[in-house]
Amino acid sequence: DGGITQSPKYLFRKEGQNVTLSCEQNLNHDAMYWYRQDPGQGLRLIYYSQIVNDFQKGDIAEGYSVSREKKESFPLTVTSAQKNPTAFYLCASRNPGRGVEELFFGEGSRLTVL
Amino acid sequence: GDSVTQMEGPVTLSEEACLTINCTYTATGYPSLFWYVQYPGEGLQLLLKATKADDKGSNKGFEATYRKETTSFHLEKGSVQVSDSAVYFCALRYFGNEKLTFGTGTRLTIIP
Repeated sequence: DGGITQSPKYLFRKEGQNVTLSCEQNLNHDAMYWYRQDPGQGLRLIYYSQIVNDFQKGDIAEGYSVSREKKESFPLTVTSAQKNPTAFYLCASRNPGRGVEELFFGEGSRLTVL
Repeated sequence: GDSVTQMEGPVTLSEEACLTINCTYTATGYPSLFWYVQYPGEGLQLLLKATKADDKGSNKGFEATYRKETTSFHLEKGSVQVSDSAVYFCALRYFGNEKLTFGTGTRLTIIP
């Protein structure tokens, strides 16, 4: 079945460590996104990519980095520069085109900094 | 800037009760409006959408009407079920813009 796979589902990190969250999609979608979800704050956009080898900062990109070397993959690295990394991270994808509005989400990765 | 405001939760209802979750937006143009639902432990799924004024989106017994005059997109259901327990997010996006702006979410719990 087509969909978005995020891994790991749960991740624990010590302060000062970088971690990378994986996001893979087999929907053949051009655009991919990373959102951060915190209680009572909704979802905030970290980075997005509309095509391979190109990506744009969202509203809260500081302390994060991404790459888009393949259409199917959009990994997110949470660096030690991110001051408050404990959160639920959601990856999404979309096929841009007239009338195609829907974002498809993965099941999320919960990162906890110890 | 653009923003979405949802009624604060949590909301707790008995099964078969009527549901309304309020959503209002602030926007400079005419965005598309969405309701997404997040079931426990899962990512978000699109529940319904409306792309222009007076459009009504509907799915799984839920409805929402795009009201330009009141800048609202309230989510309604006539008879809720336990399986409707989830967090509901209202969102907006402009055509051609990659950014989807979300509200803070409303947690709904339905008790038998």
